[in-house]
Amino acid sequence: GAGVSQSPSNKVTEKGKDVELRCDPISGHTALYWYRQSLGQGLEFLIYFQGNSAPDKSGLPSDRFSAERTGGSVSTLTIQRTQQEDSAVYLCASSLDWGGSTDTQYFGPGTRLTVL
Amino acid sequence: ILNVEQSPQSLHVQEGDSTNFTCSFPSSNFYALHWYRWETAKSPEALFVMTLNGDEKKKGRISATLNTKEGYSYLYIKGSQPEDSATYLCAFISNTGKLIFGQGTTLQVKP
Repeated sequence: GAGVSQSPSNKVTEKGKDVELRCDPISGHTALYWYRQSLGQGLEFLIYFQGNSAPDKSGLPSDRFSAERTGGSVSTLTIQRTQQEDSAVYLCASSLDWGGSTDTQYFGPGTRLTVL
Repeated sequence: ILNVEQSPQSLHVQEGDSTNFTCSFPSSNFYALHWYRWETAKSPEALFVMTLNGDEKKKGRISATLNTKEGYSYLYIKGSQPEDSATYLCAFISNTGKLIFGQGTTLQVKP
């Protein structure tokens, strides 16, 4: 079956512009996760959804970042007024359930965001 | 502050060598530990999900152990091959729902 897909694969934007990143999880997966990897850094957890709700948003780097999920499926990560430090690879993953996190997460290919 | 440390940061071995690396995590509020392999230009791939103290998991030449009381997990690779070259990530999940990745160990296997 289809895996996790993300779009766009690459995004180049100018400082100050808004961007929207999209994630299509595996069908039937109720849990969805957003991560980012900045250059030279490890994988940073941003937010997760259980269904359409995000129990913990404390991982979002600033109030310029927001995420939503509709219909328990597609999720969008929006970054407003982008800054150069937002440049990173943004990864999405999904799992059958958050369920104590014993469920394997399947990752998408990522979106490489470059802010000029 | 929850902290997950992986060591070493990078490792270079010859083909055929066996190797191991460490993931250290908080011993309190433990819920699960995940290991992932992340090859360049690909997405992270799940290796193991470990939940019980004393757990040992194996997948081919790769195995992992878990000690939740002292807060560490070891990943072992037996007879390393060039295709094992990747960054190996561990992720700690607390019983309060926090998910924290380590910085990873980058393994380079020379033919």
